[in-house]
Amino acid sequence: DTEVTQTPKHLVMGMTNKKSLKCEQHMGHRAMYWYKQKAKKPPELMFVYSYEKLSINESVPSRFSPECPNSSLLNLHLHALQPEDSALYLCASSGGRGLKNIQYFGAGTRLSVL
Amino acid sequence: KNEVEQSPQNLTAQEGEFITINCSYSVGISALHWLQQHPGGGIVSLFMLSSGKKKHGRLIATINIQEKHSSLHITASHPRDSAVYICAVRGEYGNKLVFGAGTILRVKS
Repeated sequence: DTEVTQTPKHLVMGMTNKKSLKCEQHMGHRAMYWYKQKAKKPPELMFVYSYEKLSINESVPSRFSPECPNSSLLNLHLHALQPEDSALYLCASSGGRGLKNIQYFGAGTRLSVL
Repeated sequence: KNEVEQSPQNLTAQEGEFITINCSYSVGISALHWLQQHPGGGIVSLFMLSSGKKKHGRLIATINIQEKHSSLHITASHPRDSAVYICAVRGEYGNKLVFGAGTILRVKS
């Protein structure tokens, strides 16, 4: 099983809402990632978790709050988002701490902020 | 100048043609990835390279570490190959990928 599962596939939310994106993998990977992708642009790294600890935060605004409750799950909590936060949010995972591991990507959550 | 440059930005081919997409990078790397993204969809990892050449079906990826250059080749292209192909490099330290801008490929039947 090389699957990274993201839910929901689509999400529409208002600027005052609180919502969460979920990501799950059962490959035993210990590194998990959140990316943001705007239309016709490459993905931009937001966060990296390594062994369930936050190891990289690319200066992401605090209205995005990541959480890694266990080695298989990664959440992204959203609160007071802005319309410019509308994008495709991609989760990925890779095995261990090794430098030369493939990242497996999920299908993404397409988020629209109204 | 971006650390990862891809060419061409857009490519239209006829079904059956041999296709080459190029990637040049300016930093030291531990690995280079080729990724495929269909419209509105998630990303599929095609290859990860640190040296030499890899082949999977009709896809071939090569890398020249000295020249800091990689190519992705598609033989006998098919309309289902239409997608965005993204080159991404992993630096010598850490897990972070640096992405190229992508090449939009359209294969016409």
